[in-house]
Amino acid sequence: EVQLVESGGGLVQPGGSLRLSCAASGFTFSSYWMSWVRQAPGKGLEWVANIKQDGSEKYYVDSVKGRFTISRDNAKNSLYLQMNSLRAEDTAVYYCARDLYYARFAYMDVWGKGTTVTVSS
Amino acid sequence: QSVLTQPPSVSGAPGQRVTISCTGSSSNIGAGYDVHWYQQLPGTAPKLLIYGNSNRPSGVPDRFSGSKSGTSASLAITGLQAEDEADYYCQSYDSSLRRVFGTGTKVTVL
Repeated sequence: EVQLVESGGGLVQPGGSLRLSCAASGFTFSSYWMSWVRQAPGKGLEWVANIKQDGSEKYYVDSVKGRFTISRDNAKNSLYLQMNSLRAEDTAVYYCARDLYYARFAYMDVWGKGTTVTVSS
Repeated sequence: QSVLTQPPSVSGAPGQRVTISCTGSSSNIGAGYDVHWYQQLPGTAPKLLIYGNSNRPSGVPDRFSGSKSGTSASLAITGLQAEDEADYYCQSYDSSLRRVFGTGTKVTVL
């Protein structure tokens, strides 16, 4: 069964850091681009970042550039999101998702259940 | 704020047909970028519903269909069922080649 399981969420103070992890199973992780998508409480979905199969290309939404870093370890079938200088507006459920490409642009065909990040003093 | 606009809510009786619009501009959908749709049941993660404007992944009932024209796209649900009550999101790309989601639509089955 194809599965993504996120972990690492929690309560953190503004300005603090957190590292999210996503464990992949049931497919060849190293063959896929991967993404992080977040959803603030009661709000819609927002794509955060994605990373190429070998980690050589990474892209971010403007609001997290310079603060968040996406990375992966293909030997461990794991995706990560290092979040620094956290702000209240980063409070959200963070989903790990697998990218598939259709006519050169991506959509997400497999999603994890999410991990909750709360930034508050 | 999202660049793809959806109606906040739509509703219908069981068995009816409902449609959800996803309105963009010449910088996103109108520029030729494809549209994908996701269903998010209450308290769960999003699930892929339609990819490439009108294609259904394996396991998605054919009650769900998608289309795209000009600067907008639509998701139709025919034969509405109670289990279809959920939030629905469209997704495409913008001119900066960043992935963008629609504002989301809550479907209520009366």
